[in-house]
Amino acid sequence: DGGITQSPKYLFRKEGQNVTLSCEQNLNHDAMYWYRQDPGQGLRLIYYSQIVNDFQKGDIAEGYSVSREKKESFPLTVTSAQKNPTAFYLCASSIEGRDGYTFGSGTRLTVV
Amino acid sequence: AQSVTQPDIHITVSEGASLELRCNYSYGATPYLFWYVQSPGQGLQLLLKYFSGDTLVQGIKGFEAEFKRSQSSFNLRKPSVHWSDAAEYFCGEIKAAGNKLTFGGGTRVLVKP
Repeated sequence: DGGITQSPKYLFRKEGQNVTLSCEQNLNHDAMYWYRQDPGQGLRLIYYSQIVNDFQKGDIAEGYSVSREKKESFPLTVTSAQKNPTAFYLCASSIEGRDGYTFGSGTRLTVV
Repeated sequence: AQSVTQPDIHITVSEGASLELRCNYSYGATPYLFWYVQSPGQGLQLLLKYFSGDTLVQGIKGFEAEFKRSQSSFNLRKPSVHWSDAAEYFCGEIKAAGNKLTFGGGTRVLVKP
């Protein structure tokens, strides 16, 4: 079955370390997205990519970086510059945005 | 300012009762509108979407939503709630010119037996 796989489901890191969250899709979708979810704040867009080798900043890109070397993959790196990295991170993909997004099951990152 | 607002943070409803979740958008033209549901610790599942045509949209799990341009609203309804409907619900919009989905803050639904 096609879908989006995020790994790992839970991730613990020490403060000051960079960490990379994986997102892979086999839906043949062109566009991919990363959201951050915090309690009471809904979902906020970090980065998105409409096509391979191209990506744009979302609303809260500071302290994050991405790459899009393959259509299937859109990894997110949470850098040490991100002041409050502990959150639930969701990856999504779409053919056309108006068709709706397909979401992965998320990665919960805890920085201690 | 948030372009999509969900005025109710929490709603508690009895099993079998009806449910209505409010959503207001601010985009001047007609955006593409969505409702998603999220179970704890999980991703989001699309319930329904609207971008043109009939203003009453049917979705999965017995949900429907009505687009009202005059009120800039896209409220979600279910006639009879089941215990399994306890979850968080997110309204979202995509402005016609782009692909970026912007979400409201979410409404958490609790279902009483």
